[in-house]
Amino acid sequence: DAKTTQPNSMESNEEEPVHLPCNHSTISGTDYIHWYRQLPSQGPEYVIHGLTSNVNNRMASLAIAEDRKSSTLILHRATLRDAAVYYCIPGAYGQNFVFGPGTRLSVLP
Amino acid sequence: SAVISQKPSRDICQRGTSLTIQCQVDSQVTMMFWYRQQPGQSLTLIATANQGSEATYESGFVIDKFPISRPNLTFSTLTVSNMSPEDSSIYLCSVALRDYNEQFFGPGTRLTVL
Repeated sequence: DAKTTQPNSMESNEEEPVHLPCNHSTISGTDYIHWYRQLPSQGPEYVIHGLTSNVNNRMASLAIAEDRKSSTLILHRATLRDAAVYYCIPGAYGQNFVFGPGTRLSVLP
Repeated sequence: SAVISQKPSRDICQRGTSLTIQCQVDSQVTMMFWYRQQPGQSLTLIATANQGSEATYESGFVIDKFPISRPNLTFSTLTVSNMSPEDSSIYLCSVALRDYNEQFFGPGTRLTVL
């Protein structure tokens, strides 16, 4: 399993962009990079995933470094509802997820 | 997407007893997973429960303590047996539909053992 390093916590102001970094220097060539988030008192929810190219969806963008040893989840305009713990999870397709401690994002009004 | 419900949503139990947690999905899924989230911690996978086969347990989890049933493609149960206060956690089930990369999680069952 690839080891990940994420900041323990981050703060953002509402309606500003947020860049959540993740280092995964031991990632293998077939590992996808998954991002999930866990809102308070809820189960995790899928945010986005990618392999090599940057990815966009309605929730966020995922920027993957050229060497794939790091990635950044981008929330374009943070809302109060985005306050959650964000998990970066590298893993091959079909491999069970290993959740790290994640980054706790606080959004200030 | 998939909608997952869990029962009970929370429970307080006495040590030495057992609790069975139910996970119901609104569509047929092959792969289901059970996780534990201890207080203030991240999620840890307990086992993978595929319909028609025995559950596969992760290191540190055994069938005698956490027996799992998977009778059909929309339902699974996890039993926490002979509970101790250390079993106080949130237990979550999740499923993967067509794309293994996108898993859907239930709301969790919050268990407190006295």
